[in-house]
Amino acid sequence: DAKTTQPPSMDCAEGRAANLPCNHSTISGNEYVYWYRQIHSQGPQYIIHGLKNNETNEMASLIITEDRKSSTLILPHATLRDTAVYYCIVKQENTNAGKSTFGDGTTLTVKP
Amino acid sequence: DGGITQSPKYLFRKEGQNVTLSCEQNLNHDAMYWYRQDPGQGLRLIYYSQIVNDFQKGDIAEGYSVSREKKESFPLTVTSAQKNPTAFYLCASSDGARGKLFFGSGTQLSVL
Repeated sequence: DAKTTQPPSMDCAEGRAANLPCNHSTISGNEYVYWYRQIHSQGPQYIIHGLKNNETNEMASLIITEDRKSSTLILPHATLRDTAVYYCIVKQENTNAGKSTFGDGTTLTVKP
Repeated sequence: DGGITQSPKYLFRKEGQNVTLSCEQNLNHDAMYWYRQDPGQGLRLIYYSQIVNDFQKGDIAEGYSVSREKKESFPLTVTSAQKNPTAFYLCASSDGARGKLFFGSGTQLSVL
């Protein structure tokens, strides 16, 4: 799986949009970008994933650059409950493609 | 409700003792994973299994063992050979259709 690079920490004001970047310059053509978040002392929770088109669901939006070397997770109206560690990983969608590897992620702190 | 159940939530190990962490899923997923998380760090893959009766070592398998006798169960044994076992352990399973990971709530293992 391709390696990802994320900033170690970010702050965001409550009610504002949180934009979390991820670099994945070695991503291959069949690898998807996945985002998860982990609230303290809990298991990570899936947020969203995509291949090359922008994706949106009830939790967030995912913007992937045209060259697919980077992406941004957008939380449109951050709340205090969005304070968590956010992980960006790239992997093939087929589960038989092998293991998933998580880095250190970005710690997002939403402030009142 | 469908999901992944890890038990116990907290576990203590004495020197020279083997301990087993339980992971059960009722999501009918083929792939299951074990991760270790140290304070302030990301997830590191210990072992993974893509099908019953088969498993592979991850990045930090030394001092750990697993079995996959049933689709629903993927127990992890922390052996006495693991000299620094204190960590938060997470079990996950994978949605074969879309490659999403579903995590349990974790087990905190400490050494007495």
